Amino acid sequence: RKEVEQDPGPFNVPEGATVAFNCTYSNSASQSFFWYRQDCRKEPKLLMSVYSSGNEDGRFTAQLNRASQYISLLIRDSKLSDSATYLCVVTRYSTLTFGKGTMLLVSP
Amino acid sequence: NAGVTQTPKFQVLKTGQSMTLQCAQDMNHNSMYWYRQDPGMGLRLIYYSASEGTTDKGEVPNGYNVSRLNKREFSLRLESAAPSQTSVYFCASIEPQGYEQYFGPGTRLTVT
Repeated sequence: RKEVEQDPGPFNVPEGATVAFNCTYSNSASQSFFWYRQDCRKEPKLLMSVYSSGNEDGRFTAQLNRASQYISLLIRDSKLSDSATYLCVVTRYSTLTFGKGTMLLVSP
Repeated sequence: NAGVTQTPKFQVLKTGQSMTLQCAQDMNHNSMYWYRQDPGMGLRLIYYSASEGTTDKGEVPNGYNVSRLNKREFSLRLESAAPSQTSVYFCASIEPQGYEQYFGPGTRLTVT
């Protein structure tokens, strides 16, 4: 089993749609969890941290379930500018492990 | 404040040639990282340096060497390039006590 697994995508959605990304991780000793966003041919950038209590940043909601070793990202009211690849990231000590990413394509 | 810078942005090498990818950060971060990103493979850690003077292997270190020259600079060297090393290489650093990694813009390397 890969350490971090994500839906392969791509997800094609119309503007205004709600879309959810899932991620599972295999190492129960993982310490911190994040979603990064990567635009085409650009470097990854932090989107948001993920907490067990759930956290929201505008249209984005992230959730962590430690018991199930599952992380999610919900995007509401999708915009064209949300088109990107979303990377699930787990950390243990100073090492980050990235999922392969899920591509989102938002169309008019 | 430039963040993380990488040079060069693009490079084409012939098999067997050597080169060094340069990375520098101006955020006073202790930890620095080198990743490669290939289609369908995601980001894979090559080497990292938790602090000045230390380096450790990541997931895919074979064929690479690194040098943590000082706190700011972390270089990646390919001694004898192979076509399998064609990839996009990202350098990153991480803030103390935090986990946000800041990435450089990447180096697109092609080995023919």
